[in-house]
Amino acid sequence: GENVEQHPSTLSVQEGDSAVIKCTYSDSASNYFPWYKQELGKGPQLIIDIRSNVGEKKDQRIAVTLNKTAKHFSLHITETQPEDSAVYFCAASLSGSARQLTFGSGTQLTVLP
Amino acid sequence: EAQVTQNPRYLITVTGKKLTVTCSQNMNHEYMSWYRQDPGLGLRQIYYSMNVEVTDKGDVPEGYKVSRKEKRNFPLILESPSPNQTSLYFCASSMNHRVGANVLTFGAGSRLTVL
Repeated sequence: GENVEQHPSTLSVQEGDSAVIKCTYSDSASNYFPWYKQELGKGPQLIIDIRSNVGEKKDQRIAVTLNKTAKHFSLHITETQPEDSAVYFCAASLSGSARQLTFGSGTQLTVLP
Repeated sequence: EAQVTQNPRYLITVTGKKLTVTCSQNMNHEYMSWYRQDPGLGLRQIYYSMNVEVTDKGDVPEGYKVSRKEKRNFPLILESPSPNQTSLYFCASSMNHRVGANVLTFGAGSRLTVL
């Protein structure tokens, strides 16, 4: 089955700086890659996703890039703010939908004031 | 408000005492799933259901049971809980399991401790 590795496990940045979280996947047939944000005491929430026919996608301060050849994808957060502090999960899906998502191990992002 | 509701949110129990974690969604979603979250392991799928009366195993189904008798409800059953099932559990739902139905809506989580 699919295996997703996520790095780093913890990341601290100064407010206003950029943060980058990286994930690699094992199955070249995976075609859907979402990112979820989990705030303290809450369930994960989708923040951005990308499909394998797209190399990059942006939504305001958040962007995701996908390199199919290298089988890795990354989350980029610019101009970080304290409310960006959370656990971020990457995931990959062979079915192209939310079904049978394989999640990474998570990254605890802390934005220091 | 569109949401996934889990109960209980917190539970401490003892080894072998059967328990059920309920999950209900009000969005008329076909697809529902259970995950467990453990430090360093991320979210791992326990069971999923593509529709009423259709359930299948995820990556870590041992020690768990589920049922899907109604579209809105997807309870997780631990027949004989053991300490290694101490974890944070999440129920999630999506419109359906097909391509394009991408967004998983998660519940707030149920923290279970088995002594």
